Amino acid sequence: GAVVSQHPSWVICKSGTSVKIECRSLDFQATTMFWYRQFPKQSLMLMATSNEGSKATYEQGVEKDKFLINHASLTLSTLTVTSAHPEDSSFYICSAMDIQETQYFGPGTRLLVL
Amino acid sequence: QKEVEQDPGPLSVPEGAIVSLNCTYSNSAFQYFMWYRQYSRKGPELLMYTYSSGNKEDGRFTAQVDKSSKYISLFIRDSQPSDSATYLCAMSSSWGGSEKLVFGKGTKLTVNP
Repeated sequence: GAVVSQHPSWVICKSGTSVKIECRSLDFQATTMFWYRQFPKQSLMLMATSNEGSKATYEQGVEKDKFLINHASLTLSTLTVTSAHPEDSSFYICSAMDIQETQYFGPGTRLLVL
Repeated sequence: QKEVEQDPGPLSVPEGAIVSLNCTYSNSAFQYFMWYRQYSRKGPELLMYTYSSGNKEDGRFTAQVDKSSKYISLFIRDSQPSDSATYLCAMSSSWGGSEKLVFGKGTKLTVNP
């Protein structure tokens, strides 16, 4: 089956630093990847849609200058949280869409900003 | 009113019980309805999806959609401790493309041996 990986699985950083999270589709190519954020006991909220070779599309209320997305290849998208603050602490999950346009989710990255 | 409402539970049942999980929604444009299972600290895993109204069965799992009532259900028969997870409903108006999935909050299920 389609596998999506994320790296790192968890990260702790100091306030003000930047953190990069990678999302890879391991056995299929994904022209479209999605980035979600999930707070405890809350639903997944779509942050942005990442298309290979073009700029990401951000959801309303998501700061594009804070959450930088780069979809450099058909198997890799990165999310960089710039100048992270404690309120950015969350569970970040990516998904990748295969040729049948089915979304497969990564295992998530838990970010804790101190 | 949120687009998708889902009772967060928690729901605790004995092994072998029939489990019923439900979501309601407000957007009549939704056509695709999905159920995901999410284990603790893991990403969601697609269990089943249904297009428009009707039933779909896959092993111990049955998904039902009633578009007239804007109500969807997931039934788990002969529940097992390994079914213990959070179940998220999700829906969209079209399949794929840039159409986003709208998720419920998830229902946390515990199946006790």
